[in-house]
Amino acid sequence: QVQLVESGGGVVQPGRSLRLSCAASGFTFSSSGMHWVRQAPGKGLEWVAFIWYDGTNEYYAESVKGRFTISRDNSKNTLYVQMNSLRAEDTAVYYCARGYESSGFDAFDIWGQGTMVTVSS
Amino acid sequence: EIVLTQSPDFQSVTPKEKVTITCRASQSIGSSLHWYQQKPDQSPKLLVRFASQSFSGVPSRFSGSGSGTDFTLTINSLEAEDVATYYCHQSSSLPWTFGQGTKVEIK
Repeated sequence: QVQLVESGGGVVQPGRSLRLSCAASGFTFSSSGMHWVRQAPGKGLEWVAFIWYDGTNEYYAESVKGRFTISRDNSKNTLYVQMNSLRAEDTAVYYCARGYESSGFDAFDIWGQGTMVTVSS
Repeated sequence: EIVLTQSPDFQSVTPKEKVTITCRASQSIGSSLHWYQQKPDQSPKLLVRFASQSFSGVPSRFSGSGSGTDFTLTINSLEAEDVATYYCHQSSSLPWTFGQGTKVEIK
């Protein structure tokens, strides 16, 4: 069964850090480019970051560049995002999603159920 | 950054009615435009890739068209289960962006 399962969300104070994980199963994770996409409460979708299938290239939205780091462990079929210097505006449901094509310049064909991150004092 | 503008923002439709949602890009993106459906409290699901390629398992009443800057998602004969917010997304250039969404409800 093709599946992405996010974990690691929670409530964190502004300025603190959090690491999200996304466990993949049912497809060849090591051949897949992977994204993080977020959705603030009641708002639309915002692409956050992308990593190539082999981890050699990463792209970030300007809103998170320098604060977030995407990474992956193909031996564990797991995607990560390290979120530092968190701000209130980072509050959102964070989804991991697979890129249909490994370069990222394609649709997102598999989505996880999302994990909620709340940044609040 | 390429801005995608969807219209309308909200549409109230009777069952079996045809629904048309448009997505306009701020610059030409060829056919690098994709459509998603997000039902309440669910994650998004891919409906259409590259403007007109229906994704596997998607009901045939969903179809996409367009190229360049103007794109359309059509739902022929709306069903109750189609109540959702629909988003377009461009993969032509970084940063990848989404439209603001179109919420479709049953009248």
